[in-house]
Amino acid sequence: EADIYQTPRYLVIGTGKKITLECSQTMGHDKMYWYQQDPGMELHLIHYSYGVNSTEKGDLSSESTVSRIRTEHFPLTLESARPSHTSQYLCASSETTRDTGELFFGEGSRLTVL
Amino acid sequence: GESVGLHLPTLSVQEGDNSIINCAYSNSASDYFIWYKQESGKGPQFIIDIRSNMDKRQGQRVTVLLNKTVKHLSLQIAATQPGDSAVYFCAGTNTDKLIFGTGTRLQVFP
Repeated sequence: EADIYQTPRYLVIGTGKKITLECSQTMGHDKMYWYQQDPGMELHLIHYSYGVNSTEKGDLSSESTVSRIRTEHFPLTLESARPSHTSQYLCASSETTRDTGELFFGEGSRLTVL
Repeated sequence: GESVGLHLPTLSVQEGDNSIINCAYSNSASDYFIWYKQESGKGPQFIIDIRSNMDKRQGQRVTVLLNKTVKHLSLQIAATQPGDSAVYFCAGTNTDKLIFGTGTRLQVFP
């Protein structure tokens, strides 16, 4: 079983609030990812990281930001949440850096912005 | 803003039958593919992977077939069980990223 954890699992907040979704993995993986998934829909890559101090934008434009100060930690932040940000956010990590390799996913953080 | 898109296609099978879930990809440079299973309210879980130098790979009750000529990938589940009910995604590499397909919802009925 993968050791990757996301908090909170569920979050309901009002428009304009700042939120941070936490993601931690204990596997020592260098690569980490954030995917956005609307209910019943496909996963879209919004951010990824090759390692500490590395952050890259994914294929889907997102108003969120990420940071990678420690290998095990890859938080995602929304400075001012809006209803359009309502979605599920999935964090993942993988072992290899040269090749993609298998991604290990967390359980997801379901965000609802009122 | 609000997005509008197609909902996942659905495959309905009877318990005990074999299931075949298909996936097409467009990037001929993709050299690694994975099938994931996602149950309701959970993150995707790895099922099986295959590299482009292979045509077939088998796991426990699952087989992945890769046809590079027509850029097609399939997942076969033998003797489908109620616990197999989930959404199944294929994913393929795009340079250094893994890109997911639209997924298929598998429904197993008794």
